[in-house]
Amino acid sequence: GNSVTQMEGPVTLSEEAFLTINCTYTATGYPSLFWYVQYPGEGLQLLLKATKADDKGSNKGFEATYRKETTSFHLEKGSVQVSDSAVYFCALSRYGQNFVFGPGTRLSVLP
Amino acid sequence: NAGVTQTPKFQVLKTGQSMTLQCAQDMNHEYMSWYRQDPGMGLRLIHYSVGAGITDQGEVPNGYNVSRSTTEDFPLRLLSAAPSQTSVYFCASSRTGDAGELFFGEGSRLTVL
Repeated sequence: GNSVTQMEGPVTLSEEAFLTINCTYTATGYPSLFWYVQYPGEGLQLLLKATKADDKGSNKGFEATYRKETTSFHLEKGSVQVSDSAVYFCALSRYGQNFVFGPGTRLSVLP
Repeated sequence: NAGVTQTPKFQVLKTGQSMTLQCAQDMNHEYMSWYRQDPGMGLRLIHYSVGAGITDQGEVPNGYNVSRSTTEDFPLRLLSAAPSQTSVYFCASSRTGDAGELFFGEGSRLTVL
């Protein structure tokens, strides 16, 4: 079946540091790939997505590129802020259903 | 825009009691689902529906029932609550057929004593 693997963390960085959270997936066909973010006490919200190979999703300074050859969708940000402290989930889906989530990575950014 | 609305936000039950978590969406989404989130366990799919009158089990369906009589509503029923059902529950919906994202409600925190 489909699955998503991501580094579980926690990840602790200083403000303005570079962030990478690795995500790899196993799926048949060509799934859509997503990064969701969950701030404390809130639900998950979409951060970015990519729907086909080599697509780059970007939002709020975060980026991730759909790499079919390595089945990866790593999340990056060049300079993190304290306000980026949250839990980040990598996910995939086929046709807007059958969503599969990774375990989540907790990020703490220290001032 | 209301999006996905869940009620109640907090609930405390005694073991054996029943309750229903309500979920409504106003985006005309075909796909609706319920997840539970527990520390260290990530999100686990309980039940899902691809349209009115159609429901199916997810990864952890035991102890939960669902129904989908309308496109908008997807209630989750706990028939006899157990302490193991203490969790945060999220309802989510999406438009099927394309690369639609999943929209989440704000969550319902349930404690079973």
